Amino acid sequence: AQSVTQLGSHVSVSEGALVLLRCNYSSSVPPYLFWYVQYPNQGLQLLLKYTSAATLVKGINGFEAEFKKSETSFHLTKPSAHMSDAAEYFCAVSPINSGGYQKVTFGTGTKLQVIP
Amino acid sequence: DAGVIQSPRHEVTEMGQEVTLRCKPISGHNSLFWYRQTMMRGLELLIYFNNNVPIDDSGMPEDRFSAKMPNASFSTLKIQPSEPRDSAVYFCASSSPGHNTEAFFGQGTRLTVV
Repeated sequence: AQSVTQLGSHVSVSEGALVLLRCNYSSSVPPYLFWYVQYPNQGLQLLLKYTSAATLVKGINGFEAEFKKSETSFHLTKPSAHMSDAAEYFCAVSPINSGGYQKVTFGTGTKLQVIP
Repeated sequence: DAGVIQSPRHEVTEMGQEVTLRCKPISGHNSLFWYRQTMMRGLELLIYFNNNVPIDDSGMPEDRFSAKMPNASFSTLKIQPSEPRDSAVYFCASSSPGHNTEAFFGQGTRLTVV
């Protein structure tokens, strides 16, 4: 079984401050991990993904995440928040398998508010 | 490519009516997913297809829900009869062959059952 836990359903940061969104995963096999962003009234868009290569993954819009196996974590960070980063962020996990397809399990999401 | 296309974007229907949601995946993608998003339950995977074959429908809430994928470029999610508790945003997503490919989401269909 696989799951992700996102700590904090709502996070507020000031514009220009560090963004840190937490995600811990549980998986019986080595996982793939993803961060998605959802802007209002839109679908989810991939920010970045970890696929067992480099543990520090850089994504779009200045976001990055670090895979830490010892902590079973995949936290999302951005050095300086921008107003346009206000959205809901989802962490997701998928087991590595050879079936050619994968079942992705999403976390409950964290809404990021950026305060001017 | 235009991305994953869902229709309609908004649907308002009366309880007891049949509702059909439609999805056109990205060309060349061989996996298709239907998700439901609500405030209470978050994002739930309802069913996914691989090469037009349903692989896992364990997330389908009950027999009122059914999904089909008659060909690689089209899928439907049907609710019959609809109930107010079915009100949600329904997303379709598709992904390309491979082990580490991400899902690409459509804009969603906002369903309101009154």
